[in-house]
Amino acid sequence: EDQVTQSPEALRLQEGESSSLNCSYTVSGLRGLFWYRQDPGKGPEFLFTLYSAGEEKEKERLKATLTKKESFLHITAPKPEDSATYLCAVAGDNFNKFYFGSGTKLNVKP
Amino acid sequence: EAGVTQSPTHLIKTRGQQATLRCSPISGHTSVYWYQQALGLGLQFLLWYDEGEERNRGNFPPRFSGRQFPNYSSELNVNALELEDSALYLCASAKNTGELFFGEGSRLTVL
Repeated sequence: EDQVTQSPEALRLQEGESSSLNCSYTVSGLRGLFWYRQDPGKGPEFLFTLYSAGEEKEKERLKATLTKKESFLHITAPKPEDSATYLCAVAGDNFNKFYFGSGTKLNVKP
Repeated sequence: EAGVTQSPTHLIKTRGQQATLRCSPISGHTSVYWYQQALGLGLQFLLWYDEGEERNRGNFPPRFSGRQFPNYSSELNVNALELEDSALYLCASAKNTGELFFGEGSRLTVL
């Protein structure tokens, strides 16, 4: 069964305390893995696309990596403005299937 | 470049009524996806339209329906509204590389 699991559900960090969020997946015919940021009451904001194992993408304090079974979103020296819910999604079967994880709610305290 | 636009921003209905939500994709995007996000929960896939055709449907009852117009805009219709239909309805348009770009959503409240 195709599925996407994110952990932890919630993460509290002090400003400057680096950490990683995990996204594990099972999907037939992976076409891409996507990371989004969502602020309360808003639509998800696209961050990264990863297409193949070993690929890495970076943007400011965020770095996403991909293996054959999971992806990590590394947050280096986070700031309070990084507080949000981070969503992982995978597309399979020629984009006919698109699955979202339930997200990790990140809270960065000053 | 304009992003995905959704209307209305907020909508209040009563049980049994019908709701219509609208979405305009990013220029050049031919695919539109609809998701439901109930308060505190994850995104649940509703519908996918591409080139005017319904390509895939999530596990929702038939009272959730929609269409895509020749200009690739889309509307989502929810008939016979129930209290549990209260949610943020998100529309996204997609590039052929798979990235979804979301609008800000339509908040539907059913009383």
